[in-house]
Amino acid sequence: NAGVTQTPKFQVLKTGQSMTLQCAQDMNHNSMYWYRQDPGMGLRLIYYSASEGTTDKGEVPNGYNVSRLNKREFSLRLESAAPSQTSVYFCASTIGTGAWSDEQYFGPGTRLTVT
Amino acid sequence: AQSVTQLGSHVSVSEGALVLLRCNYSSSVPPYLFWYVQYPNQGLQLLLKYTSAATLVKGINGFEAEFKKSETSFHLTKPSAHMSDAAEYFCAVTLNTGNQFYFGTGTSLTVIP
Repeated sequence: NAGVTQTPKFQVLKTGQSMTLQCAQDMNHNSMYWYRQDPGMGLRLIYYSASEGTTDKGEVPNGYNVSRLNKREFSLRLESAAPSQTSVYFCASTIGTGAWSDEQYFGPGTRLTVT
Repeated sequence: AQSVTQLGSHVSVSEGALVLLRCNYSSSVPPYLFWYVQYPNQGLQLLLKYTSAATLVKGINGFEAEFKKSETSFHLTKPSAHMSDAAEYFCAVTLNTGNQFYFGTGTSLTVIP
């Protein structure tokens, strides 16, 4: 049981390049989330998916798109990377469908640098 | 709007001393409250959560937190710090009427031998 896995672990992009961050969970969880973590700002929610087939914007969605490919996988895409998107990205999941009292399980993170 | 405030971005304590990490929230309705811990180069792990049951919540590794509605606080404590407690700690809030998790900016705990 691997929990929440993320690929890649590290990535360097040039401004304007695109890339997709992958996230998968093997806990049969219904909801999945993408956060970014910046120094002094804590974690901020980018997008979430309360159930398979649905996605919703979080606090900072601009510049990102997501796909809930199936129940296990939730990807985050940067279409045209900008230096302001340099951050550590975390994927998380919860067992419930929009149940906001659930514990979140986090992946190990992807460290992205945009030059 | 929901917000979470963690007072003190860095806290240092001696090994064996009391740990107190502060968290205050703003909410017009009763929230769900969480404390998460992040060790270097890892994701976050749940320490404990409050979901309107007992106001004193016990978590893992000897940590506990008390929900005080009158003070809108959910401070994290541990009676005796251990070297392994050195990490970043995040308070988080959510509401059952909303679709957001709000995290505080984090408190980095250093334990001095």
